[in-house]
Amino acid sequence: ETTVTQSPASLSMAVGEKVSISCKTSTDIDDDMNWYQQKSGEAPKLLISEGNTLRPGVPSRFSSSGYGTDFVFTINNVLLGDEGIYYCQQSDNVPLTFGAGTKLELK
Amino acid sequence: EVQLQQSGAELVKPGASVKLSCKTSGYTFSNYYMSWLKQMPGQNIEWIGNIYGGNGGTGYNQKFKGKATLTVDKSSSTAYMDLSSLTSEDSAVYFCARLDYGYNGYFDYWGQGVMVTVSS
Repeated sequence: ETTVTQSPASLSMAVGEKVSISCKTSTDIDDDMNWYQQKSGEAPKLLISEGNTLRPGVPSRFSSSGYGTDFVFTINNVLLGDEGIYYCQQSDNVPLTFGAGTKLELK
Repeated sequence: EVQLQQSGAELVKPGASVKLSCKTSGYTFSNYYMSWLKQMPGQNIEWIGNIYGGNGGTGYNQKFKGKATLTVDKSSSTAYMDLSSLTSEDSAVYFCARLDYGYNGYFDYWGQGVMVTVSS
Protein backbone atom coordinates (compact mmCIF):
# COMPACT_ATOMS: atom_id res chain seq x y z
CA GLU A 1 0.00 0.00 0.00
CA THR A 2 1.27 3.48 -0.88
CA THR A 3 1.22 5.86 2.07
CA VAL A 4 0.68 9.53 1.26
CA THR A 5 2.11 12.04 3.72
CA GLN A 6 0.67 15.52 3.33
CA SER A 7 1.89 18.74 4.96
CA PRO A 8 1.19 21.10 6.49
CA ALA A 9 -2.00 20.09 8.29
CA SER A 10 -3.23 23.67 8.27
CA LEU A 11 -2.42 27.05 6.78
CA SER A 12 -3.58 30.57 7.56
CA MET A 13 -2.97 32.91 4.65
CA ALA A 14 -3.86 36.42 3.56
CA VAL A 15 -5.66 37.14 0.33
CA GLY A 16 -3.17 37.42 -2.52
CA GLU A 17 -0.51 35.20 -0.97
CA LYS A 18 0.92 32.02 -2.46
CA VAL A 19 -0.06 28.65 -0.97
CA SER A 20 2.13 25.56 -1.19
CA ILE A 21 1.12 22.08 -0.06
CA SER A 22 3.40 19.05 -0.13
CA CYS A 23 2.60 15.38 -0.58
CA LYS A 24 5.18 12.64 -0.35
CA THR A 25 4.49 9.02 -1.25
CA SER A 26 6.08 5.90 0.18
CA THR A 27 6.45 4.37 -3.30
CA ASP A 28 7.31 5.77 -6.72
CA ILE A 29 4.01 6.68 -8.41
CA ASP A 30 5.35 8.42 -11.55
CA ASP A 31 3.02 11.42 -11.98
CA ASP A 32 -0.15 9.67 -10.79
CA MET A 33 -1.08 12.31 -8.23
CA ASN A 34 -4.40 14.13 -8.02
CA TRP A 35 -5.57 17.12 -6.01
CA TYR A 36 -9.01 17.91 -4.59
CA GLN A 37 -10.68 20.79 -2.81
CA GLN A 38 -13.38 20.12 -0.24
CA LYS A 39 -15.52 22.92 1.11
CA SER A 40 -17.49 22.53 4.31
CA GLY A 41 -20.43 20.18 3.93
CA GLU A 42 -19.63 19.34 0.30
CA ALA A 43 -18.06 16.52 -1.64
CA PRO A 44 -14.46 16.89 -2.78
CA LYS A 45 -13.93 18.54 -6.14
CA LEU A 46 -11.20 17.40 -8.52
CA LEU A 47 -8.87 20.29 -9.36
CA ILE A 48 -5.81 18.64 -10.89
CA SER A 49 -5.42 15.12 -12.25
CA GLU A 50 -2.52 12.87 -13.23
CA GLY A 51 0.34 14.49 -15.06
CA ASN A 52 -0.35 17.84 -13.35
CA THR A 53 -3.36 18.39 -15.60
CA LEU A 54 -5.64 21.25 -14.66
CA ARG A 55 -9.28 20.16 -14.91
CA PRO A 56 -11.67 22.09 -17.17
CA GLY A 57 -13.06 25.17 -15.53
CA VAL A 58 -10.47 25.29 -12.76
CA PRO A 59 -8.66 28.66 -12.58
CA SER A 60 -5.03 28.75 -13.66
CA ARG A 61 -4.13 30.06 -10.19
CA PHE A 62 -4.09 26.39 -9.22
CA SER A 63 -1.15 24.27 -10.32
CA SER A 64 0.93 21.30 -9.25
CA SER A 65 4.31 19.78 -9.91
CA GLY A 66 6.22 16.67 -9.04
CA TYR A 67 7.16 13.17 -10.11
CA GLY A 68 8.09 9.98 -8.37
CA THR A 69 7.58 10.51 -4.65
CA ASP A 70 7.53 14.29 -4.10
CA PHE A 71 4.64 16.52 -5.18
CA VAL A 72 3.64 20.13 -4.59
CA PHE A 73 0.30 21.85 -5.04
CA THR A 74 0.28 25.63 -5.44
CA ILE A 75 -2.34 28.34 -5.35
CA ASN A 76 -1.13 31.69 -6.64
CA ASN A 77 -2.94 34.83 -5.48
CA VAL A 78 -5.20 32.98 -3.03
CA LEU A 79 -8.77 34.25 -2.74
CA LEU A 80 -11.37 34.11 0.06
CA GLY A 81 -13.32 31.54 -1.94
CA ASP A 82 -10.35 29.15 -1.81
CA GLU A 83 -10.96 28.32 1.85
CA GLY A 84 -11.43 24.62 2.46
CA ILE A 85 -9.52 21.39 2.87
CA TYR A 86 -7.17 20.22 0.13
CA TYR A 87 -6.36 16.56 -0.39
CA CYS A 88 -3.87 14.74 -2.56
CA GLN A 89 -4.64 11.23 -3.82
CA GLN A 90 -2.40 8.70 -5.56
CA SER A 91 -3.83 6.72 -8.47
CA ASP A 92 -0.84 4.55 -9.30
CA ASN A 93 -2.02 1.45 -7.45
CA VAL A 94 -4.74 0.04 -5.26
CA PRO A 95 -5.74 0.62 -2.61
CA LEU A 96 -6.19 4.20 -3.77
CA THR A 97 -4.96 6.40 -0.93
CA PHE A 98 -5.30 10.01 0.14
CA GLY A 99 -3.22 12.42 2.13
CA ALA A 100 -4.66 13.55 5.46
CA GLY A 101 -5.63 16.95 4.11
CA THR A 102 -4.53 20.57 4.53
CA LYS A 103 -7.02 23.00 5.98
CA LEU A 104 -6.67 26.41 4.35
CA GLU A 105 -7.99 29.42 6.22
CA LEU A 106 -7.94 32.97 4.95
CA LYS A 107 -7.13 35.77 7.36
CA GLU B 1 -24.57 16.75 -17.25
CA VAL B 2 -23.13 13.95 -15.14
CA GLN B 3 -24.95 13.56 -11.83
CA LEU B 4 -24.61 11.14 -8.92
CA GLN B 5 -27.54 11.30 -6.51
CA GLN B 6 -27.17 9.47 -3.21
CA SER B 7 -29.88 8.28 -0.86
CA GLY B 8 -30.68 10.06 2.39
CA ALA B 9 -29.11 10.00 5.82
CA GLU B 10 -29.38 6.79 7.84
CA LEU B 11 -29.65 6.17 11.57
CA VAL B 12 -29.04 2.49 12.28
CA LYS B 13 -28.57 0.34 15.35
CA PRO B 14 -25.33 -1.44 16.19
CA GLY B 15 -25.16 -4.86 14.58
CA ALA B 16 -27.59 -3.95 11.82
CA SER B 17 -26.93 -3.51 8.11
CA VAL B 18 -27.66 -0.63 5.75
CA LYS B 19 -27.86 -0.34 1.96
CA LEU B 20 -26.83 2.94 0.34
CA SER B 21 -27.66 3.89 -3.23
CA CYS B 22 -26.08 6.12 -5.85
CA LYS B 23 -28.28 6.85 -8.86
CA THR B 24 -26.42 8.17 -11.87
CA SER B 25 -27.37 10.10 -15.00
CA GLY B 26 -25.71 11.97 -17.83
CA TYR B 27 -23.22 9.29 -18.91
CA THR B 28 -23.05 5.64 -20.00
CA PHE B 29 -23.09 3.81 -16.67
CA SER B 30 -21.74 0.55 -18.06
CA ASN B 31 -18.53 2.18 -19.36
CA TYR B 32 -17.15 3.32 -16.01
CA TYR B 33 -16.07 2.12 -12.60
CA MET B 34 -17.81 3.52 -9.54
CA SER B 35 -16.01 3.86 -6.24
CA TRP B 36 -17.27 4.21 -2.70
CA LEU B 37 -15.35 6.20 -0.14
CA LYS B 38 -15.61 6.81 3.61
CA GLN B 39 -14.93 10.01 5.48
CA MET B 40 -15.22 10.08 9.24
CA PRO B 41 -15.86 13.50 10.83
CA GLY B 42 -12.79 15.70 10.48
CA GLN B 43 -10.75 12.85 9.14
CA ASN B 44 -9.13 11.44 6.07
CA ILE B 45 -10.86 9.97 3.04
CA GLU B 46 -10.63 6.19 2.65
CA TRP B 47 -11.27 4.25 -0.54
CA ILE B 48 -13.58 1.30 0.08
CA GLY B 49 -13.67 -0.32 -3.34
CA ASN B 50 -14.65 -0.20 -7.00
CA ILE B 51 -17.36 -1.78 -9.08
CA TYR B 52 -17.56 -1.85 -12.87
CA GLY B 53 -20.90 -0.72 -14.26
CA GLY B 54 -20.60 -3.07 -17.23
CA ASN B 55 -20.38 -6.43 -15.48
CA GLY B 56 -20.45 -5.76 -11.75
CA GLY B 57 -16.84 -6.80 -11.30
CA THR B 58 -15.49 -5.58 -7.97
CA GLY B 59 -12.29 -4.81 -6.14
CA TYR B 60 -12.04 -3.96 -2.47
CA ASN B 61 -9.66 -2.30 -0.10
CA GLN B 62 -8.57 -5.17 2.15
CA LYS B 63 -9.61 -3.09 5.16
CA PHE B 64 -13.26 -3.16 4.06
CA LYS B 65 -13.56 -6.76 2.90
CA GLY B 66 -16.40 -8.37 4.81
CA LYS B 67 -17.75 -4.96 5.80
CA ALA B 68 -18.85 -3.56 2.42
CA THR B 69 -20.51 -5.27 -0.55
CA LEU B 70 -20.83 -3.38 -3.81
CA THR B 71 -23.46 -4.10 -6.45
CA VAL B 72 -24.98 -2.37 -9.46
CA ASP B 73 -28.30 -2.32 -11.28
CA LYS B 74 -27.51 -1.52 -14.90
CA SER B 75 -31.18 -1.11 -15.79
CA SER B 76 -31.46 1.92 -13.49
CA SER B 77 -27.80 3.06 -13.67
CA THR B 78 -27.56 2.77 -9.92
CA ALA B 79 -24.75 1.60 -7.69
CA TYR B 80 -25.30 0.20 -4.22
CA MET B 81 -23.20 -0.44 -1.15
CA ASP B 82 -24.25 -2.75 1.67
CA LEU B 83 -22.56 -2.21 5.02
CA SER B 84 -22.94 -5.03 7.51
CA SER B 85 -22.48 -5.62 11.25
CA LEU B 86 -22.37 -1.91 11.90
CA THR B 87 -20.48 -0.42 14.83
CA SER B 88 -19.74 3.11 15.94
CA GLU B 89 -16.60 2.96 13.79
CA ASP B 90 -18.86 2.85 10.74
CA SER B 91 -20.45 6.21 11.56
CA ALA B 92 -19.24 8.43 8.74
CA VAL B 93 -20.12 10.18 5.52
CA TYR B 94 -20.04 7.83 2.55
CA PHE B 95 -19.53 9.07 -0.98
CA CYS B 96 -19.92 7.42 -4.33
CA ALA B 97 -17.57 8.78 -6.97
CA ARG B 98 -16.99 7.94 -10.62
CA LEU B 99 -13.53 6.89 -11.71
CA ASP B 100 -12.54 8.84 -14.79
CA TYR B 101 -10.98 5.78 -16.40
CA GLY B 102 -10.00 2.25 -15.60
CA TYR B 103 -9.80 0.50 -12.30
CA ASN B 104 -7.40 2.80 -10.50
CA GLY B 105 -7.57 6.44 -11.28
CA TYR B 106 -9.04 9.66 -10.05
CA PHE B 107 -12.56 10.65 -9.10
CA ASP B 108 -14.04 13.16 -11.51
CA TYR B 109 -17.66 13.22 -10.29
CA TRP B 110 -18.94 12.73 -6.76
CA GLY B 111 -22.26 12.16 -5.09
CA GLN B 112 -23.28 14.60 -2.39
CA GLY B 113 -22.47 12.11 0.34
CA VAL B 114 -24.69 10.38 2.88
CA MET B 115 -24.26 10.47 6.64
CA VAL B 116 -24.58 7.10 8.36
CA THR B 117 -24.96 7.23 12.13
CA VAL B 118 -24.70 4.02 14.14
CA SER B 119 -26.35 4.43 17.50
CA SER B 120 -28.69 2.54 19.78
